[in-house]
Amino acid sequence: AQTVTQSQPEMSVQEAETVTLSCTYDTSESDYYLFWYKQPPSRQMILVIRQEAYKQQNATENRFSVNFQKAAKSFSLKISDSQLGDAAMYFCAYRSTGNQFYFGTGTSLTVIP
Amino acid sequence: DTGVSQDPRHKITKRGQNVTFRCDPISEHNRLYWYRQTLGQGPEFLTYFQNEAQLEKSRLLSDRFSAERPKGSFSTLEIQRTEQGDSAMYLCASSPRAYEQYFGPGTRLTVT
Repeated sequence: AQTVTQSQPEMSVQEAETVTLSCTYDTSESDYYLFWYKQPPSRQMILVIRQEAYKQQNATENRFSVNFQKAAKSFSLKISDSQLGDAAMYFCAYRSTGNQFYFGTGTSLTVIP
Repeated sequence: DTGVSQDPRHKITKRGQNVTFRCDPISEHNRLYWYRQTLGQGPEFLTYFQNEAQLEKSRLLSDRFSAERPKGSFSTLEIQRTEQGDSAMYLCASSPRAYEQYFGPGTRLTVT
């Protein structure tokens, strides 16, 4: 079974600075999708960024970018120019070919003004 | 397009009672997922529908759990003979494609 590991339960960053959240996963599949989701306090989960495993180019969405290392099974999220609204729980997720999504335990991000 | 909605938002029930939750996906989304999320954990996959067909079901899912999507639109998740360990947030998500999901606000279940 696929597993997703987020080894940083909590992270903090100064406003306007850059922070990187880590994620590793375990799989025997070659074709899959990876995601970062954001869950603000008491609000619903929203997609931050998506990466297709067959694409070598790292995905970027405005201030959010990923570092996808397929051989190392690593998928980190970089948030540049951090804003107060970025404070949330961030979940790394893996989608298998069987249409199941596996989530990590999350990283709680605090943005310090 | 009003997003994924879930009803009720909160449910308190006594152990042993049955509960049913409803999820209304975004219109035209043919894929629908149910998850369970406990405090401090990420969402745990429960089941997946494509249209009205239930294509995937977690092996961790007890026989007390059942889900339906009778007309390929809204879905229901029923838990029979609830236990205290069933207390969690139950999330629904829908999508038009395999590689994205739009989540609802969740139903928080408390079993006393």
